[in-house]
Amino acid sequence: TQLLEQSPQFLSIQEGENLTVYCNSSSVFSSLQWYRQEPGEGPVLLVTVVTGGEVKKLKRLTFQFGDARKDSSLHITAAQPGDTGLYLCAGGPFVGSARQLTFGSGTQLTVLP
Amino acid sequence: NAGVTQTPKFQVLKTGQSMTLQCAQDMNHEYMSWYRQDPGMGLRLIHYSVGAGITDQGEVPNGYNVSRSTTEDFPLRLLSAAPSQTSVYFCASSDLRGLGANVLTFGAGSRLTVL
Repeated sequence: TQLLEQSPQFLSIQEGENLTVYCNSSSVFSSLQWYRQEPGEGPVLLVTVVTGGEVKKLKRLTFQFGDARKDSSLHITAAQPGDTGLYLCAGGPFVGSARQLTFGSGTQLTVLP
Repeated sequence: NAGVTQTPKFQVLKTGQSMTLQCAQDMNHEYMSWYRQDPGMGLRLIHYSVGAGITDQGEVPNGYNVSRSTTEDFPLRLLSAAPSQTSVYFCASSDLRGLGANVLTFGAGSRLTVL
């Protein structure tokens, strides 16, 4: 069974601060996705990374896939209240026709104005 | 708007009652799935389908049934509700054509409370 551990579980910061969320596993994944979920809504995809060492930027968000494809990080620069939400990472397998995702338990981010 | 539609948004059941959570998508996605979300436990896969007439079990299938008679619809049935099934349920779909990652589009969720 593949497991993904996210840290921290909860994070509360002031507007303008920087933060990093981590997603770690002992398993190797073919791809790593990050989703953001707002209260009362379903998760929405932010990014997919598929190459070891890959870095993708989405405005103030920077995503990195580890060289060994076992971990990923999400860095937010100058956080804003609109960044508040539950951040979920999800790993994709190398085998299986349905390509089932393994989800981490999530990081609840609160950005205070 | 195109996407995944779940109904109902909220439901309260008594132990032993049965009900069906509805899920429909209009994106012609082959893959559909049901997850439950509990505090601190992330999203756990209940059942999934890779096409009409094909279903399979996920990580936590006990107490739930599914069917896939059309590409668009994937209902989740609770046969005899138990308090342990109190959770938020999400339906998700994706296009598995090609060799890329399984990128999911989620519905807004159905919050179920079993008393």
